[in-house]
Amino acid sequence: GAVVSQHPSRVICKSGTSVKIECRSLDFQATTMFWYRQFPKQSLMLMATSNEGSKATYEQGVEKDKFLINHASLTLSTLTVTSAHPEDSSFYICSARGANNEQFFGPGTRLTVL
Amino acid sequence: DAKTTQPPSMDCAEGRAANLPCNHSTISGNEYVYWYRQIHSQGPQYIIHGLKNNETNEMASLIITEDRKSSTLILPHATLRDTAVYYCIVRGGGTSYGKLTFGQGTILTVHP
Repeated sequence: GAVVSQHPSRVICKSGTSVKIECRSLDFQATTMFWYRQFPKQSLMLMATSNEGSKATYEQGVEKDKFLINHASLTLSTLTVTSAHPEDSSFYICSARGANNEQFFGPGTRLTVL
Repeated sequence: DAKTTQPPSMDCAEGRAANLPCNHSTISGNEYVYWYRQIHSQGPQYIIHGLKNNETNEMASLIITEDRKSSTLILPHATLRDTAVYYCIVRGGGTSYGKLTFGQGTILTVHP
């Protein structure tokens, strides 16, 4: 299957700082990417849908000013958690949709906010 | 999107077939059934998907009932590495096309 990477795989930061997570489709172009969040022992929760060259669409209850999403190219989307707090600590996972509408997931980024 | 119902957990002996059921009684005609799995602390891995015909690939088989209200994922010879959470997802159509909404899934434990 197609490969989606995320960077970093793990990040620890202080409360109040901003953290950027990158999601790349390595061997295909993705017009649409998705960002999910997963808390311990819970399922994945969709945060937002990101379309190349346009503004992201956020799910209900997700603060767009706190979770900034940029999808500047067909192979890269970024999620920036602004002014992170301990409650933002979670496992963030991106996915990318290819030309055949298949959706492939990245390995995830573990964010810990102290 | 159609809601899916899966048993919270299942056990399977190594080498035996694992049959994971999923109910999706409100599925509509243009919605596909997708299966993903997630091994601990990793991103979900695509397994298989289908519309109404049974499907098979190198990982698994998908059996969809004729009325499309339920399906079964079959891992023909389960190994210890198949221990994971398995998600059955019905993919939305229309303006929701492409969104995969995850439920709680089935925790499959393969034991020696």
